[in-house]
Amino acid sequence: NAGVTQTPKFRILKIGQSMTLQCAQDMNHNYMYWYRQDPGMGLKLIYYSVGAGITDKGEVPNGYNVSRSTTEDFPLRLELAAPSQTSVYFCASSKTSAVNTGELFFGEGSRLTVL
Amino acid sequence: AQKVTQAQTEISVVEKEDVTLDCVYETRDTTYYLFWYKQPPSGELVFLIRRNSFDEQNEISGRYSWNFQKSTSSFNFTITASQVVDSAVYFCALSENSNTGKLIFGQGTTLQVKP
Repeated sequence: NAGVTQTPKFRILKIGQSMTLQCAQDMNHNYMYWYRQDPGMGLKLIYYSVGAGITDKGEVPNGYNVSRSTTEDFPLRLELAAPSQTSVYFCASSKTSAVNTGELFFGEGSRLTVL
Repeated sequence: AQKVTQAQTEISVVEKEDVTLDCVYETRDTTYYLFWYKQPPSGELVFLIRRNSFDEQNEISGRYSWNFQKSTSSFNFTITASQVVDSAVYFCALSENSNTGKLIFGQGTTLQVKP
């Protein structure tokens, strides 16, 4: 009963380093999302994917990249980490279809600190 | 443009009090979905409810109830007889019927229930 699994849960990066946040879901959901949560700001959408091989930018994509080679996995890549990317990152998936928007199922979050 | 406003940043109540969390949204679409999520201190996001724009019936689930009013673009959430375990950040979110399932989140309301 895994749902959405994110790794790592915590990470400290130095400015300029790169890393990948992993996200996997076992619910066969076509739709997947990456959000970041900053204190008092709610969640902002970074990237999303409506199916394998399809990705698109959200509200705050700068400094990030994603790929979706399989239905299950949706990794988020941070290139040249900056202090502004210090945040909590949430991956989510949804059984949204063309005619129905379903609820998002969230992972437990990944807390990233860039020093 | 879509927007969700949760004007109450923090609310503090004493256990057993009733409390209402406000949510006001903006959208040009006639078909859309509204959500509430709970984020307890442990950090995960827990789905509470989804409503589509054609269903204005109020909903009750135990001590939780939701009042959806299209005339005022509001989707308020009431907790009756609050308990300490209700302490959390609550997010209201909006999704247009754009086949992407993207959610726009409000800034969140932090609810503290004191014993």
